[in-house]
Amino acid sequence: GEEVAQTPKHLVRGEGQKAKLYCAPIKGHSYVFWYQQVLKNEFKFLISFQNENVFDETGMPKERFSAKCLPNSPCSLEIQATKLEDSAVYFCASSQSLSYEQYFGPGTRLTVT
Amino acid sequence: AQTVTQSQPEMSVQEAETVTLSCTYDTSENNYYLFWYKQPPSRQMILVIRQEAYKQQNATENRFSVNFQKAAKSFSLKISDSQLGDTAMYFCVSGGGADGLTFGKGTHLIIQP
Repeated sequence: GEEVAQTPKHLVRGEGQKAKLYCAPIKGHSYVFWYQQVLKNEFKFLISFQNENVFDETGMPKERFSAKCLPNSPCSLEIQATKLEDSAVYFCASSQSLSYEQYFGPGTRLTVT
Repeated sequence: AQTVTQSQPEMSVQEAETVTLSCTYDTSENNYYLFWYKQPPSRQMILVIRQEAYKQQNATENRFSVNFQKAAKSFSLKISDSQLGDTAMYFCVSGGGADGLTFGKGTHLIIQP
């Protein structure tokens, strides 16, 4: 597609429940990035993929967060055992290459209660 | 590692005025890119302008232009003839690596009628 698509728009989970977010990058874009934007508007890089391969995961809290980009499937970001501090908007972005701008999806707002 | 600093949390100007948003950055990369992204209340991230660090010429996009001072590591955004639709959070961003984009904390720009 011509836009980055993210589902769902909103997700509410009780503390300790699992949350799974999806992202379909723009067709032809090789790179996918996940970011977390917390209520203070601050962005945190989580993970990047080059096609289906993890490119950089230095921002991922690995004990509870995992992500995949499998061929012919939307990319996913999964949070096991959500905590209150996971409440944020999660953005997915894609780009043709590292030297090109990233195009952002509309985000998924996760609320952990 | 990269850092981006925006020292103006909020700015307010009258419609049709010119406004400049400040940004400084630090990076150890030789090849990097700088961006300004706009985030209106809808939360959608919109690319405003892009600058390749190896280019001396300042980027311009219609009413938007940058003042890129590489030695000073400064990257300010000028908005001419400001419009009500320019009201948004503006993020100064650096990138070009696998570890995603590095965001400043944002400047909330309000255009008054």
